[in-house]
Amino acid sequence: DQQVKQNSPSLSVQEGRISILNCDYTNSMFDYFLWYKKYPAEGPTFLISISSIKDKNEDGRFTVFLNKSAKHLSLHIVPSQPGDSAVYFCVGSGGSNYKLTFGKGTLLTVNP
Amino acid sequence: NAGVTQTPKFQVLKTGQSMTLQCAQDMNHNSMYWYRQDPGMGLRLIYYSASEGTTDKGEVPNGYNVSRLNKREFSLRLESAAPSQTSVYFCASPPDSGSSYEQYFGPGTRLTVT
Repeated sequence: DQQVKQNSPSLSVQEGRISILNCDYTNSMFDYFLWYKKYPAEGPTFLISISSIKDKNEDGRFTVFLNKSAKHLSLHIVPSQPGDSAVYFCVGSGGSNYKLTFGKGTLLTVNP
Repeated sequence: NAGVTQTPKFQVLKTGQSMTLQCAQDMNHNSMYWYRQDPGMGLRLIYYSASEGTTDKGEVPNGYNVSRLNKREFSLRLESAAPSQTSVYFCASPPDSGSSYEQYFGPGTRLTVT
């Protein structure tokens, strides 16, 4: 039972354009949703989060949108830069003990 | 301030061998977590420790044991390694007062069991 689904294994965009990464979830008990970024041979690093009671959160070039009725969230990166090339994980979290539930990830490639 | 550190970075074991993966954090956090990541998969929780002296099973605990040695250190032990345990292992720790469930991850240990 995959509670967090990232249906696009990969995405390729041109530098300067918008990157949109999508995520669907099935667990209505998640309190927060997070996006993590991972470069090869490194641990995941936190990028941005959104509370389940919000519909948008913005941090610089990164914006996360949450549509609770559709159980869907998306991460927008504008403008995309080559350094953004990485695997992006959509993560749900809720309940006690800060448990994180990861999606399978989307490999973003930003071409110069 | 190194954050979360893990040793070793790489390890190759033969089936049936044992080993311990080490994790330490210098952020004075109460909670620590062990995850594994298999190719094409997200991270899955193996075990976690909400505070010194406590440990609990996560999603995939079979074949592993853990020890919360003190507040800084949380080790993961494979008593009899199997090829199915070939994976990259990550240790993580969240701030105690965080509200968004953010966790800080170590660089990982890449384990191959032949």
